[in-house]
Amino acid sequence: GQNIDQPTEMTATEGAIVQINCTYQTSGFNGLFWYQQHAGEAPTFLSYNVLDGLEEKGRFSSFLSRSKGYSYLLLKELQMKDSASYLCASSDSNYQLIWGAGTKLIIKP
Amino acid sequence: GAVVSQHPSRVICKSGTSVKIECRSLDFQATTMFWYRQFPKQSLMLMATSNEGSKATYEQGVEKDKFLINHASLTLSTLTVTSAHPEDSSFYICSARGLGLADYEQYFGPGTRLTVT
Repeated sequence: GQNIDQPTEMTATEGAIVQINCTYQTSGFNGLFWYQQHAGEAPTFLSYNVLDGLEEKGRFSSFLSRSKGYSYLLLKELQMKDSASYLCASSDSNYQLIWGAGTKLIIKP
Repeated sequence: GAVVSQHPSRVICKSGTSVKIECRSLDFQATTMFWYRQFPKQSLMLMATSNEGSKATYEQGVEKDKFLINHASLTLSTLTVTSAHPEDSSFYICSARGLGLADYEQYFGPGTRLTVT
């Protein structure tokens, strides 16, 4: 079947580091996406992992383990503007996205 | 990155009327467009996938006669919500994949907030 799980909500402090986990079960798995979505806005692309390992892009890094069906998004040096929902989505062989429910990240000063 | 626009950004309509939402790819040719809806505090739900020049493929549970999708050109897809009811109030988002982009790249429009009174 197709299933994606991620925490509903997380809270972190400005300047700190936070890791948002995502587990998935996807037939014909073809990569894992992370998107950021601010309230009332469309999602914006953060990362795409198809091979195992860590990919770093500035303050954001994304990790994938295909054998474990597991990914995480790591955010460093948190800023208030990072308060948003973070959506994990897995891709099947046709690049059709299966979306998680999203993790609402609350940043406190 | 590639740019996708949506119009209108917000619309309020009366129950029983129809509303058309446009989704345009501005700087690339969109071979495939996706329509999503999102209820408050929920994730995106795929409604349908449309390929240019062919009929849209609807997800299970989505009424194709109620949500009419037209993808007549490589830069424009429209979603028409017919005989709208208050339960159709939602955030509608389109996304597109296209020529010149990697297979996995999908760009989202800014969304349309539909309120049916």
